[in-house]
Amino acid sequence: DIQMTQSPSTLSASVGDRVTITCRASQSINRWLAWYQQKAGKAPKLLMYETSRLQSGVPSRFSGSGSGTEFSLTISSLQPDDFATYYCQQYESYVLAFGGGTKVEIK
Amino acid sequence: QVQLHQSGPGLVKPSQTLSLTCAVSGDSVSNNNAGWNWIRQSPSRGLEWLARTYYTSRWFSDYAVAVRGRLTISADTSKNEFSVHLSSVTPDDTAVYFCTREDRVSSYWQPVSWGQGTFVTVSS
Repeated sequence: DIQMTQSPSTLSASVGDRVTITCRASQSINRWLAWYQQKAGKAPKLLMYETSRLQSGVPSRFSGSGSGTEFSLTISSLQPDDFATYYCQQYESYVLAFGGGTKVEIK
Repeated sequence: QVQLHQSGPGLVKPSQTLSLTCAVSGDSVSNNNAGWNWIRQSPSRGLEWLARTYYTSRWFSDYAVAVRGRLTISADTSKNEFSVHLSSVTPDDTAVYFCTREDRVSSYWQPVSWGQGTFVTVSS
């Protein structure tokens, strides 16, 4: 099965900062990667699919890039609503796999 | 817009069967281009995919190796819902369970939406 590794596990940042989260796959997943945002007690919210396609309603400060085994999610200017935990998920394989999460906290 | 609404007990005794249902609105469970999943989340396991069911002339199901043999996923077209049954539960099955919908894109399952989640505790 494909394994997904995210880094860092925790990221401390301030409002207005540019932040980048990295996700690595154990084998090539082409561009079949999604990103989610999750807040406490809520379901994950889909931000992006196919590496860089924004889900409807997601602000343009979120962007994604990568291919093969290395991917990243960038928030260009961190807003108060963005403090949350972020997960990547591969769907190249029918056996879905998720990263361990990156918690973005207030510095 | 597809909406998924989960229901089921939040407490199950060890060795019993955990059963949850996901009611679908805004779509049909027998949509040939849709996949219907159960995923769980716990501090020890993180987000863990469990199973998928989908209809393409007939019903198909995929299962995670970790739960194969204990978990059954099924759909009820008359009620437009799908369910999960996990037998012989232990405290290790304590988690938040989510139902989700995917779109079939070529031969890939692209995520679309998630249910609200159900926290299930396995305890006597």
